[in-house]
Amino acid sequence: DVLMIQSPPSLSASVGDRVTITCRASEFISTFVNWYQQRLGQAPKLLIYGASTLQSGVPSRFSANRSGTDFTLTISGLQPEDFATYYCQQTYSNPFTFGPGTKVDFK
Amino acid sequence: QVQLQESGPGLVKPSETLSLTCAVSGSSINGYFWSWVRQPPGKGLEWIGRIHYRGDTKYNPSLKSRVVISIDMSKNQLSLKLTSVTAADTAVYYCAREHTSSSGDWFDPWGQGTLVTVSS
Repeated sequence: DVLMIQSPPSLSASVGDRVTITCRASEFISTFVNWYQQRLGQAPKLLIYGASTLQSGVPSRFSANRSGTDFTLTISGLQPEDFATYYCQQTYSNPFTFGPGTKVDFK
Repeated sequence: QVQLQESGPGLVKPSETLSLTCAVSGSSINGYFWSWVRQPPGKGLEWIGRIHYRGDTKYNPSLKSRVVISIDMSKNQLSLKLTSVTAADTAVYYCAREHTSSSGDWFDPWGQGTLVTVSS
């Protein structure tokens, strides 16, 4: 299975901060990486697909990119509604796997 | 607007079969893959498997021997069956529509999820 090593497991931040979350894949997975946001008690919500494409309706403060097997999600200017858990996912090979998540909470 | 709604028993006894359905509205099942994902309480996400509207399936090898995903085109819904359940199968179960392209597959939207507890 492709292992998605996500870091940090958690971070504390303030409104307006720039936040970066990283996922490193254990092997080549091309651009087959997605990012999801999960608020407490809710289903995951797609933010980014294909490593860097912003899903329609998602605010432009969310961005992502890829460098080899390293993938990053950046939130530029954290808003109160962004405090949540974020997951990366690879869909390059079976089984599709998720990172363990990064919980973003209030500093 | 596409909506997915999972339903099924919230409590299943150990060794029995977990059965869930996912009703799709606002979209035909035609033309898409559909996936099931689960999340144990307080833990991360695990992909269970997917089905193409034509019936082709792919399962997580860790669950393959116990899982069957099927589609009912007449009802525009998909189903999940997981046999021989144990407490480790206690989780929120989600269904999701899968999009495919040359740059990858992604899940959107997701259902709200349904909690299934395995306990005697």
